Amino acid sequence: EVQLVESGGGLVQPGGSLKLSCAASGFTFSVSAIHWVRQASGKGLEWVGRIRSKANTYATSYGASLRGRFTISRDDSKNTAYLQMDSLKTEDTAVYYCARVGATRGLLDYWGQGILVTVAS
Amino acid sequence: QSVLTQPPSTSGAPGQRVTISCSGSSSNIGSNYVYWYQQLPGTAPKLLIYKSNQRPSGVPDRFSGSKSGTSASLAISGLRSEDEADYYCAAWDDSLSGSVVFGGGTKLTVL
Repeated sequence: EVQLVESGGGLVQPGGSLKLSCAASGFTFSVSAIHWVRQASGKGLEWVGRIRSKANTYATSYGASLRGRFTISRDDSKNTAYLQMDSLKTEDTAVYYCARVGATRGLLDYWGQGILVTVAS
Repeated sequence: QSVLTQPPSTSGAPGQRVTISCSGSSSNIGSNYVYWYQQLPGTAPKLLIYKSNQRPSGVPDRFSGSKSGTSASLAISGLRSEDEADYYCAAWDDSLSGSVVFGGGTKLTVL
């Protein structure tokens, strides 16, 4: 069974940093691209970014409004992807989801349960 | 302001058929597959339609997707109370360095 489990969320002050983890199981993690998507309370889905597989040089891309503050990485030996968030702003408060790209079904076919990040003083 | 445009809300009575539209451009829907997600209250989004018109196993055939040009639609027939949820369309966008774009979401109310 495919599972994605986010961790590392919580309360952080404006200007601070936080690193989220996305632990994967039930599929071949190393060949799968992993995306991060966020959702502010009562709002829609916003794409954060993605990291591709080793075969695709671990290429990353990010949402335009986030570029430069957020960094996505992965450790295939641990079946885990990461989202490093720096210079956090109050408007970054949201539930953050990781999701994978499936070989057959494609974009964001399985999602984690989400983790809440609150940026407040 | 979402890149893909969806109606904010729609409704229907049990048993009826509803459609949700998703409008984009040549750089996203016009040249890439469309995906639809269902989000029940308090839960993560769930894949409903992939590659514009394919249903994952376990998704009832009451749900169907279509795409034409730069627009796509999700149809739900035989509406049931458990279909009440938020629905999002998504697509890859080839502009700039590439990104995933979402619609703003459509809240479906079953009357």
